[in-house]
Amino acid sequence: DAMVIQNPRYQVTQFGKPVTLSCSQTLNHNVMYWYQQKSSQAPKLLFHYYDKDFNNEADTPDNFQSRRPNTSFCFLDIRSPGLGDAAMYLCATSRGSSYEQYFGPGTRLTVT
Amino acid sequence: GNSVTQMEGPVTLSEEAFLTINCTYTATGYPSLFWYVQYPGEGLQLLLKATKADDKGSNKGFEATYRKETTSFHLEKGSVQVSDSAVYFCAPLSGAGSYQLTFGKGTKLSVIP
Repeated sequence: DAMVIQNPRYQVTQFGKPVTLSCSQTLNHNVMYWYQQKSSQAPKLLFHYYDKDFNNEADTPDNFQSRRPNTSFCFLDIRSPGLGDAAMYLCATSRGSSYEQYFGPGTRLTVT
Repeated sequence: GNSVTQMEGPVTLSEEAFLTINCTYTATGYPSLFWYVQYPGEGLQLLLKATKADDKGSNKGFEATYRKETTSFHLEKGSVQVSDSAVYFCAPLSGAGSYQLTFGKGTKLSVIP
């Protein structure tokens, strides 16, 4: 089945230690998104790629970066995680920006 | 900007009860409308969608009708099951040039046997 895959499902990192979360898709979608979801809250868009074009949300901290080396993969890099960055990180894809988004299972990040 | 007002939870229902979760929105232009469901510890799954006025989206016994005149997209199910226990998010998708999915705060549904 075509799908959105996130690895790992659970990630523990130390305060200030860089961490990378990964997302891959077999849907061949043009757009890939990263959302942050804190407990009992709605997902918050961090940034998205339309093909190779990177679009950052205005309020996304500089501590968060992203890379998309090819159509299938997209990475979220947190350069210096703080305790406040502990959250579920959701990757999503869509055929185009005006189409429905398909989400992966998420990576739950714990910062110790 | 876009905004969503979603029925506050948590909602607790007995199995086979009727469910309504209200959702109203403000959005640019004529948005597509979605309901997403999030089961405990998982990502979001697209439950249903409607892309134009008077469209009815349906899936797994859930339904929602795009009401342009009231800018609403209420979710309904005639008979809920324990397995429907989850958080439900209403989300319009619209924009001018750069489309954004705007999520409501989510409504947690618990169905008890």
